[in-house]
Amino acid sequence: KAGVTQTPRYLIKTRGQQVTLSCSPISGHRSVSWYQQTPGQGLQFLFEYFSETQRNKGNFPGRFSGRQFSNSRSEMNVSTLELGDSALYLCASSPASDRGYGYTFGSGTRLTVV
Amino acid sequence: SQQGEEDPQALSIQEGENATMNCSYKTSINNLQWYRQNSGRGLVHLILIRSNEREKHSGRLRVTLDTSKKSSSLLITASRAADTASYFCATDAENQGGKLIFGQGTELSVKP
Repeated sequence: KAGVTQTPRYLIKTRGQQVTLSCSPISGHRSVSWYQQTPGQGLQFLFEYFSETQRNKGNFPGRFSGRQFSNSRSEMNVSTLELGDSALYLCASSPASDRGYGYTFGSGTRLTVV
Repeated sequence: SQQGEEDPQALSIQEGENATMNCSYKTSINNLQWYRQNSGRGLVHLILIRSNEREKHSGRLRVTLDTSKKSSSLLITASRAADTASYFCATDAENQGGKLIFGQGTELSVKP
């Protein structure tokens, strides 16, 4: 079956712009999480959605937002980009609210802010 | 801030040797998971161990969990060059719906 699909794979944006990243989870998976990975801070949790509801949010400014659609696809948006937002953004999906499952990650979107 | 601390940060071994990575965490957990990442790409789920389990095996992988010490270890036996990657532990903490907290990772290099 198809894995977690993230688009685009690479993105270059200018400071002050906004960006939208997309994630299509594995078919049937209802939980989608987002993570930011940087060399300095490592893997940091952004937010998690289950059945279109945000269940948890990490310690990121309000410029970072997300949503989940009825087909479980998810998007995250970063407004007013800063140089420090340059990172690999990873999306992960899981079957259900029962957290006895591991997560399947996408290949990520590498965002560069110049 | 990250919950997990991994040790060592980097490990270099020869093919055929065993590799052991350790992870410590701070709060009560539902489960602990190990992931592998190749060259900054996506993470691959390796194994999940629940808080009421002490040891789990999957192929060449062996994971232990000591909740009294808040620590876990990942053993890769008979390592191969293809095992070269970064390995991360991640905790699924109680009352933290859907949120994994990752350690900083161990960079494993297996030389042919």
